Parts: sequence; structure tokens; C-alpha cells
Amino acid sequence: AQTVTQSQPEMSVQEAETVTLSCTYDTSESDYYLFWYKQPPSRQMILVIRQEAYKQQNATENRFSVNFQKAAKSFSLKISDSQLGDAAMYFCASTLWDDKIIFGKGTRLHILP
Amino acid sequence: GAGVSQSPSNKVTEKGKDVELRCDPISGHTALYWYRQRLGQGLEFLIYFQGNSAPDKSGLPSDRFSAERTGESVSTLTIQRTQQEDSAVYLCASSLPAPGLAGAGELFFGEGSRLTVL
Repeated sequence: AQTVTQSQPEMSVQEAETVTLSCTYDTSESDYYLFWYKQPPSRQMILVIRQEAYKQQNATENRFSVNFQKAAKSFSLKISDSQLGDAAMYFCASTLWDDKIIFGKGTRLHILP
Repeated sequence: GAGVSQSPSNKVTEKGKDVELRCDPISGHTALYWYRQRLGQGLEFLIYFQGNSAPDKSGLPSDRFSAERTGESVSTLTIQRTQQEDSAVYLCASSLPAPGLAGAGELFFGEGSRLTVL
């Protein structure tokens, strides 16, 4: 089965510190996309960062970066200089196969002031 | 409109009634997804439309669920004979296909339709 697994249901980080959220996936495809989405309490999902599997370079977007390990099928999200506005549910997602996008169960991130 | 629009934003219904949820995607987006999100849970894939191709219905949980989309415009998700376990937020998202993998572009989500079945 094509799956996306987030093993950390909840995490907490001190404001201004760095936190890493884990994601693993299972696919037999060679070409696919990986995503991290953020869902604040207002519930509208927004894209944080995306990675194309055929690119070896890890994607970065300002304070957000990924550690993409294709052989290990791992795709973790690092948030640097955490801010109160980063508090949200974070979902890892992938195209995996047939182009449809499958989501993990999410990690709830708390930012401690 | 500028974003994905979903209606109604909230729907309370009685067990056994039919409900229809509507999604108006971003103009020009060929891909449209429906997901279900139960309270505190992740997103469960329901159905995927890509242009004029046959939809991928592999995530629909039962034959009480159906969805339609006319061309690349509005989609409706219909739940017949609603059950209490259907209570959830139903999220719609649309995207442009990314180069190399059709449908693999950034998803733009609506605010969801919260369904409560009493």
C-alpha cells in the first residue's frame, strides 16, 4: 500500500529554537513529489514547502527546509527560529503514484513562549 | 473568485438525510480533490478529478458517497442516507498539474464544509 507516515502526533518547541518534524513514505515510484502543508486553527491548509524526488538538492523556503533522503524514503521538515505563528498541524503529503496526493495523519506543533 | 470556495461552510443534518456539498475551484485548475478530515485526524483521500479523464474514486468509503464535476468547473460531493460516522470536515482542493507529473502541483484548499450528522 502507498502510505505516508508521521510518527510524531505532537511536538513542542521553545520560541526561537529549531524543531524537526519526521515523515516517511512508501512508494515504488521513481518520480514523485513530496509536500509539507500547514493547517492553522482556522483550518485552511497552506503549502509550506515542496520537493521533487528527482532533485537531490533539499528544498528551502526561508525558515523552512527539508531533509530528503530518497533511499530511506524519509522527508523531514526543519523549522528554524520558531515563531508563535508556526503553531499548527503539519501534514506531510506525497503524490506516491497515479498523481493523487496522499496525506499523513499530521503532527501538532506547539510553540512555547 | 481568487480562491477555492466551498459551500455550505457548516451543515447539520439528521441521520438518513442526503447532503450535497459544493466546491468551486480556482479558474483554470484542471485537478480537483475531495478529502475528509475527522476531528483531530489527517486527511482521508476521497476522489480526484483531472481534466476530462475518468475520476479516481478509489477513496470513496461506500456507495453512499458520489461526486461529480462538470468539465473543469464546479464539483459536488453527495452523501446519501447520512450516518453519524460521516460527521467530518470535507475539504476540497484544486491545482494545476506540475510539469512531469499531471496533477502534482500545489494544492489550494477551500475552508471546508463541516458536516454534523445527528
